[in-house]
Amino acid sequence: EVQLVESGGGLVQPGGSLRLSCAVSGFTFSNYEMNWVRQAPGKGLEWVSYISSSGATIYYADSVKGRFTFSRDNAKNSLYLQMNSLTAEDTAVYYCARDKTAAGTNLDYWGQGTQVTVSS
Amino acid sequence: DIQMTQSPSSVSASVGDRVTITCRASQGMSSWLAWYQQKPGKAPKLLIYAASNLQSGVPSRFSGSGSGTDFTLTISSLQPEDFATYYCQQANGFPLTFGGGTKVEIK
Repeated sequence: EVQLVESGGGLVQPGGSLRLSCAVSGFTFSNYEMNWVRQAPGKGLEWVSYISSSGATIYYADSVKGRFTFSRDNAKNSLYLQMNSLTAEDTAVYYCARDKTAAGTNLDYWGQGTQVTVSS
Repeated sequence: DIQMTQSPSSVSASVGDRVTITCRASQGMSSWLAWYQQKPGKAPKLLIYAASNLQSGVPSRFSGSGSGTDFTLTISSLQPEDFATYYCQQANGFPLTFGGGTKVEIK
């Protein structure tokens, strides 16, 4: 069974940092491209970042570029999202999601999400 | 960036109704479009990819069509478990972008 489990969310002050993790199981992790998607309270879905299967290629949304760093450890079946210089606009549920790897970028498995709240 | 515009933003329907949701892209993108269903407090679920391909395990009452800039998600006979919010997403390239969502509510 495919599983993605996020952790590391919480309450952080503006300007602070947080590191999210996503532990995966049930598939050959090193074969798949992965993404982070977030959802602010009461809002729609916003793509945050992408990483290739090897980790060599990474893309970011303009809203997080220069502040967030996406990485993966294929030996540990894990993803990481280092988030720095956080603002209230980063408050959201953060999901890790697998790319189906067919016909473009389609996200076929998602974690349950981890809440990040940026507030003083 | 490709902008995705969904309509309507909400729709009230009854069990058994046919429901159609549209998604328009700001530029042509062949058939690289996905549809997701999201229920409150849950992660999104992939329904359709490549505009018209049903994801494994998704009921056949869901169907997708379109290419270029105009796409449609159709629920042929609405079931109680289908009341949710639906999002389109362009799968053509980065940054990935989502439509604003369509909430399907009980009439």
